Formats: sequence, structure tokens, C-alpha cells
Amino acid sequence: NAGVMQNPRHLVRRRGQEARLRCSPVKGHSHVYWYRQLPEEGLKFMVYLQKENIIDESGMPKERFSAEFPKEGPSILRIQQVVRGDSAAYFCASSPGLKAGLFYNEQFFGPGTRLTVL
Amino acid sequence: KNQVEQSPQSLIILEGKNCTLQCNYTVSPFSNLRWYKQDTGRGPVSLTIMTFSENTKSNGRYTATLDADTKQSSLHITASQLSDSASYICVVSAIGSGGSYIPTFGRGTSLIVHP
Repeated sequence: NAGVMQNPRHLVRRRGQEARLRCSPVKGHSHVYWYRQLPEEGLKFMVYLQKENIIDESGMPKERFSAEFPKEGPSILRIQQVVRGDSAAYFCASSPGLKAGLFYNEQFFGPGTRLTVL
Repeated sequence: KNQVEQSPQSLIILEGKNCTLQCNYTVSPFSNLRWYKQDTGRGPVSLTIMTFSENTKSNGRYTATLDADTKQSSLHITASQLSDSASYICVVSAIGSGGSYIPTFGRGTSLIVHP
């Protein structure tokens, strides 16, 4: 988990506003995952990105949510027109990618952004 | 549907005692299984990771086992310490399209260690 930076750590928005969550992966990592964790719930996969590409967004709501991981800069999770149900902790994880010959892709998590929608 | 079930949901033990946490999964095709420790208000931290061919893996006082035939894993904590109080999450990854590895998270076991 050392090295994955997320900001802001806490974000308060009113209903209808936009929320932008940022994630800087471990230096050298080209894979980023976003997760959402509701109170008393487990982490739920949202989206998996490599540099400039969305690999899998099967866990992300079709409406209002988008993610990007540009060639330069952090990964951004954007939530438009937030609603109270979007209140949760959003975690980002990064990994170096697939290691040749090994079927694992260990992820290092950031500290999370806690979004509160009033 | 890929699922990961953990038990017990919560556990309270005395400092110095051992405990075992369970994880059952229905994830296919299986890629790997990881145990994470998540302290309150923080991101998960990896404890162990195992692939199909590995039966056991240790990390200090933490020992994870994997039975790929029965699709079960356990995390054994030896000589518990107060700092072990946390949520322990079992994560099983499947091989997804395009070579991606899509993880399924259990809801975690909340462990409280009392002095």
C-alpha cells in the first residue's frame, strides 16, 4: 500500500454536484483498479484501467460514473450529479501488471476517499 | 456468479490466543486467492497470495491455506496481538477477458483482540 496516493481523503458534496476522486499509483505501476465500499459491506469492484485504456468497467454504474487513467497524471474517478446513495469509501489500487509466467497481479491499495453526499 | 463467503462475520478473542478465519469461494476460472488486513479507516494491506498450486503460505504469525478442490481457504493467526484487531478480507481473482484479473471480495471477518 505504500506509494498509492488518493486525494482528497474526505470529500463532501451536495446532491447534484460533481465529485472527482484522484489516484496516483505506485511509481511504475501501469494498472489501476477502483473499488467502492459501503458501510458494513465488502469492497466492490468498479473499474480496471491501464494507461489510457479501460480494460473492464463491468462493476461501474452506466450512468453518472466515469473513470480515466491518462498517459500523464493520476487516475480520475468522476461522479456526476451525486446522490446520497453515492456516499461511500472509494479505494484505488495499483499493480505492476502481469508478471510473466505467474498468474497473479498483486494490488496495492491507497487510503481511500470518503465521499459524503448531503 | 462468482462469490466469496467468509466466516465468522465477527470474532472476539483474548490476546495471545490463536484463531482461524474461513473463506469459501465459487470463482471460476480461478487465478489466485489473497488475504488482506484492513484497519478501520484505511486501505487493505496484503497478507498472503496463493495460486492454484500452493497449499499453504506464511507471513509471520499469519498462515494461509488453500484447498482448490473444495474451494476453501483459511487464515490462521498465531499468538494474537492487540494490533491484529482489524477486518480480514478474502479476495479471489478470476481470469477475465483480455487477460484481466477480476477480483471478488468477501465481506470480511471483523476480529477484535482483547487484552
